[in-house]
Amino acid sequence: DVVMTQTPVSLSVSLGGQTSISCRSSQSLVHSDGNTYLYWYLQKPGQSPQLLIYKVSNRFSGVPDRFSGSGSGTDFTLKISRVEPEDLGVYYCYQGTHYPFTFGSGTKLEIK
Amino acid sequence: QVQLKESGPGLVQPSQTLSLTCTVSGFSLTSNSVHWVRQPPGKGLEWVGAIWSGGSTDYNSALKSRLSISRDTSKSQVFLKMNSLQTEDTAIYFCTRSLGNWGQGVMVTVSS
Repeated sequence: DVVMTQTPVSLSVSLGGQTSISCRSSQSLVHSDGNTYLYWYLQKPGQSPQLLIYKVSNRFSGVPDRFSGSGSGTDFTLKISRVEPEDLGVYYCYQGTHYPFTFGSGTKLEIK
Repeated sequence: QVQLKESGPGLVQPSQTLSLTCTVSGFSLTSNSVHWVRQPPGKGLEWVGAIWSGGSTDYNSALKSRLSISRDTSKSQVFLKMNSLQTEDTAIYFCTRSLGNWGQGVMVTVSS
């Protein structure tokens, strides 16, 4: 199975600040169809996960441009700028390239 | 408006079979995939399996021998059946449209 390693495990960010989360995969996530199926989710307390970024760098409908994704191959980053109170929760990366699809173990974001 | 709602028993006895239903609206099952994802209490996310728009299925290899996903397109419903349940199957079970839109989840507890 593809292992998705997220760092850091947790982070604390000031309101209005900027931060980034790293996700590394144990295999390249480039699919044979040329796409890279790397997604980012935020799970707010008591809620279902919500999709932020799909295929590395595409923001899902309604996601503010404070969230951006980048990376390629096995190394990916989620950047959050101008952090707001509603950004707190656990962030997960996910790969949908290799079966079984797998999630990272999560990064908990707290607001200072 | 895309909506998904999971339903099923909250409590299942060990060794018994779990049956869950995901009722969807706002999109067609013949044009979209539906995935199941689960989350043990206080833990991360695990991809369970998927039924694709054409009706084919894929399962997490760790669960494959116990798992079946099917659908009734006329009723806009997707079904998950998992047999030989154990306590480690206790989790919130989510259904999700192509990993984009998610249901609220249903808590399943395996206990005698």
